[in-house]
Amino acid sequence: DTAVSQTPKYLVTQMGNDKSIKCEQNLGHDTMYWYKQDSKKFLKIMFSYNNKELIINETVPNRFSPKSPDKAHLNLHINSLELGDSAVYFCASSYPGLADSGAQYFGPGTRLLVL
Amino acid sequence: QKEVEQDPGPLSVPEGAIVSLNCTYSNSAFQYFMWYRQYSRKGPELLMYTYSSGNKEDGRFTAQVDKSSKYISLFIRDSQPSDSATYLCAMSARGGADGLTFGKGTHLIIQP
Repeated sequence: DTAVSQTPKYLVTQMGNDKSIKCEQNLGHDTMYWYKQDSKKFLKIMFSYNNKELIINETVPNRFSPKSPDKAHLNLHINSLELGDSAVYFCASSYPGLADSGAQYFGPGTRLLVL
Repeated sequence: QKEVEQDPGPLSVPEGAIVSLNCTYSNSAFQYFMWYRQYSRKGPELLMYTYSSGNKEDGRFTAQVDKSSKYISLFIRDSQPSDSATYLCAMSARGGADGLTFGKGTHLIIQP
């Protein structure tokens, strides 16, 4: 009964390709996020969605496009992959209405390597 | 100046010791504070959540927030080798409406 799941776990691809990462949460949360963890292990917010609406869009190249088909899913599509996109991408979710508002629960990560 | 500062370590202590991990921050709007544990090649796992100033205890873990000093701490009592991991502090201003701002993480090693 995984809370936040991501597919695939590993993704190795060539520069210039387009790829997607999928995220699903079964916690009943209504806000989902994408974070990037670089080679120095620094985690940085990329996007967040609340009830399928984009609410945070940090300074991220427009080659990255999130899509939320419903509030339990948030996918990340990356066009024209570059070497610098190699990182671990984490999905997270939260439920702002709860007493622990702001606590975010993370998935296991997708390790992307661009060659 | 980075928004959240955290000593990357490594911090190495013997089993059974009390561990103290700390973060300082510059944004006075932060009021939601979290500690995450991340094992190698795994996702961050939420350990402690605190709103505003004060202390919170959960088992062997105690989180402290001092907003006047912009300083947060995590204490681990009776440390175990299984506590060896990277500990990340994280914070936000508006709770779930915000993404979290993370520290760089402290690599903790508990020696058996």
